[in-house]
Amino acid sequence: AQSVTQPDIHITVSEGASLELRCNYSYGATPYLFWYVQSPGQGLQLLLKYFSGDTLVQGIKGFEAEFKRSQSSFNLRKPSVHWSDAAEYFCAVAKYNNNDMRFGAGTRLTVKP
Amino acid sequence: DGGITQSPKYLFRKEGQNVTLSCEQNLNHDAMYWYRQDPGQGLRLIYYSQIVNDFQKGDIAEGYSVSREKKESFPLTVTSAQKNPTAFYLCASSPSSMGADTQYFGPGTRLTVL
Repeated sequence: AQSVTQPDIHITVSEGASLELRCNYSYGATPYLFWYVQSPGQGLQLLLKYFSGDTLVQGIKGFEAEFKRSQSSFNLRKPSVHWSDAAEYFCAVAKYNNNDMRFGAGTRLTVKP
Repeated sequence: DGGITQSPKYLFRKEGQNVTLSCEQNLNHDAMYWYRQDPGQGLRLIYYSQIVNDFQKGDIAEGYSVSREKKESFPLTVTSAQKNPTAFYLCASSPSSMGADTQYFGPGTRLTVL
């Protein structure tokens, strides 16, 4: 079965600094990859997804992610972090032929003023 | 406004009681899911349903039950057999029941066992 690893449990960045959240997946075929964001006590909101095509995908709120097959990675980036980006971020992977989506354990982002 | 609603937002249960969490969607999505979220463990799949009157167990189905009598509704019952039910429960839906697709999430229900 597919699986996802988010190596960083907690990251702190200063407002205005750049951000990169790491995601590594394990899956034998081409995966479908997602990044979601969750504010405290809320549901998950989709930031972006990769199904095929251009390996650099743009999402909402100024986020982007790059699919690197050779590294089995799908890292999330943002050039300049805003205080409102403080939240928990989840990477997820799904097989192309079913709805079995697997989530990483999440990375909690703290933004310093 | 289309979306997924979950109720109640907070739920308290005494040990030994069954409790039912509501999930409704008006997105006309075929598939619906229930996840459990515990700190530091991400989301774990409890049950999912790809079509009305059909559902499958996820990774942690023991102590839970579901029904899918209507396309828009997928209630989850936490039974007394669930040993550690205190958690945050998330319902999701996706447009297609065939193949991978984006899942859209409700706001969640926090269940606490007293």
